[in-house]
Amino acid sequence: DQQVKQNSPSLSVQEGRISILNCDYTNSMFDYFLWYKKYPAEGPTFLISISSIKDKNEDGRFTVFLNKSAKHLSLHIVPSQPGDSAVYFCAASATGGSQGNLIFGKGTKLSVKP
Amino acid sequence: DSGVTQTPKHLITATGQRVTLRCSPRSGDLSVYWYQQSLDQGLQFLIQYYNGEERAKGNILERFSAQQFPDLHSELNLSSLELGDSALYFCASSVVAGAFSYNEQFFGPGTRLTVL
Repeated sequence: DQQVKQNSPSLSVQEGRISILNCDYTNSMFDYFLWYKKYPAEGPTFLISISSIKDKNEDGRFTVFLNKSAKHLSLHIVPSQPGDSAVYFCAASATGGSQGNLIFGKGTKLSVKP
Repeated sequence: DSGVTQTPKHLITATGQRVTLRCSPRSGDLSVYWYQQSLDQGLQFLIQYYNGEERAKGNILERFSAQQFPDLHSELNLSSLELGDSALYFCASSVVAGAFSYNEQFFGPGTRLTVL
């Protein structure tokens, strides 16, 4: 059973517009969430994270929103750039219980068109 | 460059064989994690080591084993290989591990294993 779900396998956005990537989770013990970006033939690159004590975290063009009651988080990229085209993975961790290993979603492939 | 190195980059072998994948964590990181990414799958956690000791196990087969050495590098050993073991294997490292530690992991470039 998937504990972290990214229901959209792909997303296409025009350059300059907003990209919204979504992620749902089922385990209420998760208290730390991360987004990773992955280019082909490379390892995932850490992008941004949020702890469960917050509902929003910003870093430049990237903002992550967390809705704990809905067990939902989203990544907003504004404005989107062609270089943002990659696979984005949502990950979650239950730091209070486990030893910190990450549970990943299957990823959303973002294509930003010029 | 994340600072995590993995060797080899590519590995092609036959069914029934045994291989060893190597990972060197970022300088200062004590925790090493191994993940498997198969076709059409997300990253699946295999095993974690912290300062030489096994800390957590995920979906790791009994044919697979790992260890972390005193210099903190880690090796993932895969034996009696099957076609289905063909995948990308990623190593990640982080500074800390354990309860209530926020865990940004930094990933290496991966080893692509092909079992023929």
